[in-house]
This record gives sequence, C-alpha cells and structure tokens, in this order.
Amino acid sequence: GQNIDQPTEMTATEGAIVQINCTYQTSGFNGLFWYQQHAGEAPTFLSYNVLDGLEEKGRFSSFLSRSKGYSYLLLKELQMKDSASYLCAVRRNNAGNMLTFGGGTRLMVKP
Amino acid sequence: NAGVMQNPRHLVRRRGQEARLRCSPMKGHSHVYWYRQLPEEGLKFMVYLQKENIIDESGMPKERFSAEFPKEGPSILRIQQVVRGDSAAYFCASSRTGAFGSPLHFGNGTRLTVT
Repeated sequence: GQNIDQPTEMTATEGAIVQINCTYQTSGFNGLFWYQQHAGEAPTFLSYNVLDGLEEKGRFSSFLSRSKGYSYLLLKELQMKDSASYLCAVRRNNAGNMLTFGGGTRLMVKP
Repeated sequence: NAGVMQNPRHLVRRRGQEARLRCSPMKGHSHVYWYRQLPEEGLKFMVYLQKENIIDESGMPKERFSAEFPKEGPSILRIQQVVRGDSAAYFCASSRTGAFGSPLHFGNGTRLTVT
C-alpha cells in the first residue's frame, strides 16, 4: 500500500518563508509532485522531483530525499494569493501518470 | 489552447437518480484520470483510462460506478442510483502519454450534490 502524510494546516505571514513537509511510503517510487489548489478550483501543477535534491522555480522550491521518503515545498516571499491547499502526490512505476495524493496542507497567509 | 474541460460544473441529483459527468481532455491528450475529492480532503484516485480502454479502475467502487472513454467524444463517469455519500467534487485530469515526465492537467471539476 501507500502512505502519504503532510500537515493538515499551516499559517504564515506575508513576506515570510514557509516549508510544507511530505513523507511517503510506497513501492516502485517514480516521482513526487506538488500541486496548488485554491478553494473551489482545479489543482495546478507546481513542481516534480524524481532525483534527490532541490528544484527551484521562482519563489517555489521542492526538495526530495528518496532514501528518507521525504519531500518539502518551500515558498518564499509569501503573498496573500498563496493562501491555498498544497497537495503532495507520488507516482509509481507501471502506473502510467496516475498519482496518489496526500490529504493536502491548507496554508493561510496572514498580513 | 483549451485546457481540460469538465461539465457540468455543478450537478444536483436526488437519491436514486443517475449522474453523468463529462470530461474532454486537453488537445492531444489520450490518457484520462478521474479523482474524487470530499470536502476538506485530498484527491482520491478512481479510474485511469486510455482511449477505449480502462487501464486501472482500482479506486472505483465496484457497484453503481462506471467510466468510459470512447474513440470519439468525452470521457464519461457515470454514477447510478446516487446516494448522499456520493456528494463530492469529481476532477478529471489528462496527460499526453502514460510515460514518465507527462504531468497531469486537471479540469475545474464537477461538484455533485445529492439531495
């Protein structure tokens, strides 16, 4: 089976940095994805990691450690519009691009 | 360049009725995935289809639920004899291929309410 854990809620201040952690247990790991979802809207793709290390994309970075089954999403220079749910998802071998999602982390950015 | 299109956006059904949810993938995408999302919860995989074939339906309830992706036309998720517990947002996603490096693109979802 698979197990993907991330915190349910986080709060941070505008302009600050926040790190959202995700741990996973799965067989045949083949990539970890982060999506952003605003309330009532479609999830939108943010980043993916398949090798260990840090991937940077503007204000967002994602890190992966395969040996530890651990990833984090780092958001810098937080803006009010970053208030959303952040979904961690894992892809497995022989499953096409089917993703298994964690429960999501609801981030609230305060002024 | 239209994205993944789902309709209807909102659907209200009485208990016992049928619900039909449609999904047109992005242009050039032949792989479709259906997910269900309950309020305040994550996305739960239901079924993965490629044109005319069901690849993986391990997340779809065995009874009352079915999915298809015909050669022509949108993918359809069909729920027969709906119950209150079926109330949820149903998201469709598509990818160009089933191969590595082809991220999922999601539609805006259909919000089903069963009264």
